[in-house]
Order: sequence, then structure tokens, then C-alpha cells
Amino acid sequence: RKEVEQDPGPFNVPEGATVAFNCTYSNSASQSFFWYRQDCRKEPKLLMSVYSSGNEDGRFTAQLNRASQYISLLIRDSKLSDSATYLCVVNSGTYKYIFGTGTRLKVLA
Amino acid sequence: NAGVTQTPKFRILKIGQSMTLQCAQDMNHNYMYWYRQDPGMGLKLIYYSVGAGITDKGEVPNGYNVSRSTTEDFPLRLELAAPSQTSVYFCASSYSAFPDRGLQETQYFGPGTRLLVL
Repeated sequence: RKEVEQDPGPFNVPEGATVAFNCTYSNSASQSFFWYRQDCRKEPKLLMSVYSSGNEDGRFTAQLNRASQYISLLIRDSKLSDSATYLCVVNSGTYKYIFGTGTRLKVLA
Repeated sequence: NAGVTQTPKFRILKIGQSMTLQCAQDMNHNYMYWYRQDPGMGLKLIYYSVGAGITDKGEVPNGYNVSRSTTEDFPLRLELAAPSQTSVYFCASSYSAFPDRGLQETQYFGPGTRLLVL
């Protein structure tokens, strides 16, 4: 089993739609969780950290479920500019950040 | 703040050649990392450093070397380039106020170096 697993997609959604991605992780001792966004041929950029209580930033909501070992990202009112690959990242302490392979999102006009 | 900078942006190497990928950060981060990203794959850690003078291997270190003589710079050396090293290389940095407790803050990435080995 991979340490961090994501559905690769692509998710093709119309503008204005709500879309959700899940990411599962295998190490129950994982401490920190992040969602990064990566545009084609660009570096990953932090979208949001994921806190135990869940957190929201504008149209984006992240949730953590430690019991089931998954994190989720919800995007409301999708924009064309949201088209990108979304990377789930789990930190198991010290230097070790484990990256998922990413979920591709394409928002259609 | 420039953040994390990398040079060159793109390079073509012949098999057996050597080169150094440069990485610098101006955020006074103690941790620095080198990753490679192959198409359709997640980022794989090559080497990391927890501070000046301290480096260690990551998941895929073979064929690479690093040094960290200053807090700011973390160059990656490729000796005897091979086609399998064709990839996009990302440098990243982060800060940990409590490295012995394994607590990490966000990683920041450089723009990447695209390397083609022919």
C-alpha cells in the first residue's frame, strides 16, 4: 500500500460546481497535513495546511479524519483558474514529507 | 524576499557529463531538500539537510551528491549523468523551531530545473 494515495482523476467539472478530493495515508503517526497546488510545469505551491478541527480559506475547505486516516479538500464555486493538479502531502516527523501523485482538476467553461 | 531560487531552469546533458544544480533560499530556513519529479509520479526525496554542514540521504540518492556549507545554499551535484536522471528537480526549504520534536512548518519550493540527459 502506498504511504499516500490519491485518485489521479482527471476530474472535469463545470464552472461553479463543487468538487471534493480525498487522500488516504497509511502512517497513523503522521503529524502534519497539507494540500499543495501544482500548475503544469510549475513548482508545487501551498494551498492550505490541514488542521485537526478542519479549516476553511475562502472557497476551499480542508478536513482531517485521523480515525479513518484521510484528508479531504472541498472546492466550492469552481473557477477556471482552479484547474491544476492538487497534491496531498503528509509529514511523518522531521524531514519526511510524503507526496501523493496528485489529483488533476479541469474546470470547464 | 526572493524565496527559493534555482538555476539553471533547463539543461541538456550528454551521458557521462557532470553538473551542479544550484539552490538558494533567503528565508533563514534550517531545512532544505532536493526532490525529483518524474511524469505522473509524486515527488521523490533525493537528499535533505537540517542545517549548515549536515546532510543526509533521502529515498533516491544514488547518482547524486550534496553539500551545505551555508544556511542559504544547497547545491545538488550530478556525477556521470545517466538517462534515468532525466527529470524535473525541485529544491525546497522549511523551518522547524523544534527539529528534535519533528515538527515542521510549510515547505516552499523553487521553480525547478528541467534536466534532459541524452
